Amino acid sequence: SQQGEEDPQALSIQEGENATMNCSYKTSINNLQWYRQNSGRGLVHLILIRSNEREKHSGRLRVTLDTSKKSSSLLITASRAADTASYFCATDALDSWGKLQFGAGTQVVVTP
Amino acid sequence: DTGVSQNPRHKITKRGQNVTFRCDPISEHNRLYWYRQTLGQGPEFLTYFQNEAQLEKSRLLSDRFSAERPKGSFSTLEIQRTEQGDSAMYLCASSFTGGGYTFGSGTRLTVV
Repeated sequence: SQQGEEDPQALSIQEGENATMNCSYKTSINNLQWYRQNSGRGLVHLILIRSNEREKHSGRLRVTLDTSKKSSSLLITASRAADTASYFCATDALDSWGKLQFGAGTQVVVTP
Repeated sequence: DTGVSQNPRHKITKRGQNVTFRCDPISEHNRLYWYRQTLGQGPEFLTYFQNEAQLEKSRLLSDRFSAERPKGSFSTLEIQRTEQGDSAMYLCASSFTGGGYTFGSGTRLTVV
């Protein structure tokens, strides 16, 4: 079973727009991570946010974490066609010793 | 170090045959993970190692699956008597304990 659930399942936007996707999870966590996957390729680590952090930025990415609601969001600002990919959240649960559980992902399509 | 390397990239095998995949992690990382991913889903945890010790195996990993990490370096994942349901992308990742994962490009297995 997968710990995280992303919402929406799919998102289609135009270049320059912002893309927001959400992740909900079930158990207490050490950290939550976001990954990107281009079609048929491996996953690329984007950002890690620890349970005592509320917001984190990396370039055009902004991640928030609300542990009281067990949810996180990933915002991609000023999207580009190259941002077209699937985005996954993954949780490192308190009792999992660094093992990640992934959600089903949000498929993002950015059209020029 | 050029990241996590997986071989082969693609494998087509007949049902009932045995297959073996190899993963070369980032040498400084102490953790190595195997995940399986089917179309439209997030990666599912199979097993992981800390150095040479296999710490956990998922219930998804039937008796036909075995993984090794001799001397805490590269790892192999073997599937015996393959079934059509084994067709998937097999992903390897490495990390420091509690850190973000670096994934390989995966091995796509097709069982015919």
